[in-house]
Amino acid sequence: EVQLVESGGGLVKPGGSLRLSCAASGFTFSGYNMKWVRQAPGKGLEWVSSIGSTGTFTYYADSVKGRFTISRDNAKNSLYLQIDSLRADDTAVYYCAREGRSGSPIDYWGQGTLVTVSS
Amino acid sequence: QLVLTQSPSASASLGASVKLTCTLTSGHSNFAIAWHQQQPGKGPRYLMKLNSDGSHIKGDGIPDRFSGSSSGAERYLTISSLQSEDEADYYCQTWGTGPVVFGGGTKLTVL
Repeated sequence: EVQLVESGGGLVKPGGSLRLSCAASGFTFSGYNMKWVRQAPGKGLEWVSSIGSTGTFTYYADSVKGRFTISRDNAKNSLYLQIDSLRADDTAVYYCAREGRSGSPIDYWGQGTLVTVSS
Repeated sequence: QLVLTQSPSASASLGASVKLTCTLTSGHSNFAIAWHQQQPGKGPRYLMKLNSDGSHIKGDGIPDRFSGSSSGAERYLTISSLQSEDEADYYCQTWGTGPVVFGGGTKLTVL
């Protein structure tokens, strides 16, 4: 069974940093591209970042470029999101998601981890 | 720029059918999309990949009550025999090399 379990969220002051983690199991992690998607309170889904299966390619939404860094450790079956220079509008539930095989959409989601940015 | 447009809300009665729509911007009518369901307080769940010709591939364990179809730039999700647990937000999604685009979501109320 495919499982994606996020952790690392919490309450942080504006300008602070957090590192989110996503533990993957039930599939060959190194064979899949992965993504982070967030959802602000009461709002829709917003793509944040994507990373290729080997970590060579990374992509970011304009709203987070230069502040967020996506990475992965295939030996540990883990995906990460380093979030720096946090702002109030980064407050959201952050979801880890698996992209299906090439040419496919997101096919599995985690349960999310809440990041709250407030002084 | 690719934009996916969804009606903010829809409603239908228990046991009835409902058809939700996701409209792609002009010039992108051959794009495939995915449908995702998000029940209250939960993470999203992948429902299906829907191609421009209406063919679709559903995710693991998705009931037969959920089906997809396409017409031009419109992509549809039909839910038949509505159950209370179908009350949720439904999002369409498309993708490319890296970036992902989501529609604004449709909140479905089961009456």
